[in-house]
Amino acid sequence: DARVTQTPRDKVTEMGQEVTMRCQPILGHNTVFWYRQTMMQGLELLAYFRNRAPLDDSGMPKDRFSAEMPDATLATLKIQPSEPRDSAVYFCASGLVASNEQFFGPGTRLTVL
Amino acid sequence: DAKTTQPTSMDCAEGRAANLPCNHSTISGNEYVYWYRQIHSQGPQYIIHGLKNNETNEMASLIITEDRKSSTLILPHATLRDTAVYYCIVRVAGGSQGNLIFGKGTKLSVKP
Repeated sequence: DARVTQTPRDKVTEMGQEVTMRCQPILGHNTVFWYRQTMMQGLELLAYFRNRAPLDDSGMPKDRFSAEMPDATLATLKIQPSEPRDSAVYFCASGLVASNEQFFGPGTRLTVL
Repeated sequence: DAKTTQPTSMDCAEGRAANLPCNHSTISGNEYVYWYRQIHSQGPQYIIHGLKNNETNEMASLIITEDRKSSTLILPHATLRDTAVYYCIVRVAGGSQGNLIFGKGTKLSVKP
């Protein structure tokens, strides 16, 4: 049963620390998405990759957030330095370009103290 | 802003049909209606999508009005595990318009 995996599942860190979240998309999928979910804002798109190339990262604060796909099996979302307002659940999703369905991972719950 | 309007919450008795409405009066001709749901502490899960014809799969049925300005997701025999937030989303199909814009959704509570 193919699934999107995310690590870590939970992360507690202090303000100013670097945070790296990892995502393994479903093998063969060529689109990857990063979303953030908070109580106040709901689910928001942060970044979107197609064939490992970033297509849209307009939802991401550029000064502290960065998203990359070093290879087809790994996507990373990095926050440096982290701030308390970054506390949220971060979801990764993958899919196929021609598909109508995005498959979401279980999320990384980030708490910045 | 999300292009859809959904009730904030709904209740449904276990074993009965759950009918979740969605208004999308500004939908464009090339936009599909998608439904996702999010069970507590999990990532969103795709349910079904459609353009103008009614659709059915193993999870649900989607009824789209003839003018396409509204739709209804039907869970024919709701179970306690169907308790979740249900999101109605309109977007162009395929990966070129990749992101999903989630609104507030409808919190469905299935009760014994």
